Amino acid sequence: DAGITQSPRYKITETGRQVTLMCHQTWSHSYMFWYRQDLGHGLRLIYYSAAADITDKGEVPDGYVVSRSKTENFPLTLESATRSQTSVYFCASLAGTGTDTQYFGPGTRLTVL
Amino acid sequence: AQTVTQSQPEMSVQEAETVTLSCTYDTSENNYYLFWYKQPPSRQMILVIRQEAYKQQNATENRFSVNFQKAAKSFSLKISDSQLGDTAMYFCAFMKINDYKLSFGAGTTVTVRA
Repeated sequence: DAGITQSPRYKITETGRQVTLMCHQTWSHSYMFWYRQDLGHGLRLIYYSAAADITDKGEVPDGYVVSRSKTENFPLTLESATRSQTSVYFCASLAGTGTDTQYFGPGTRLTVL
Repeated sequence: AQTVTQSQPEMSVQEAETVTLSCTYDTSENNYYLFWYKQPPSRQMILVIRQEAYKQQNATENRFSVNFQKAAKSFSLKISDSQLGDTAMYFCAFMKINDYKLSFGAGTTVTVRA
């Protein structure tokens, strides 16, 4: 039971480059989420998805793009990385249909130089 | 996003003793969920305990219990008989019912001393 996985776990990139962070879940959960974790801010929602081909912005969406062509995958793309996007990124999923618990992936630490 | 406030950035506790973490939130909703998540040095986010706002009874999970005061919009976490493995950052989080998005506090780092 793999659950929810993220790749890569660590990534170093340069300003202006495109970066894609991957998220994969094996539970067929309807909802998926991307958060970023920064000191002093806890976790903040970037984007979320209620189902395949349905996505919506969260609290801090600027500079990020998401897609969800398959239920199990929810990639997050930084189209032109900036230093302010250096952070730890968490993907999470939730079954929906009356449930309330989000399950988190292990996180990706991204450094933008 | 709802505002969730954790006013204690860091706390330290002796092994086997009790520590209480505070959390307040701001909402106009009547029905919602509250959560405490633990993040150990491994960085994994682990659900510790959850509380439904419509339940008056405080949730308990082994050594972890909450004091939920709905009128005061307060949701504190008590860790009893602290263990070294409890050393972690703890996040309080809020979710509106059927909304599914979480709003997190800034976190409290708990260090358990041997």
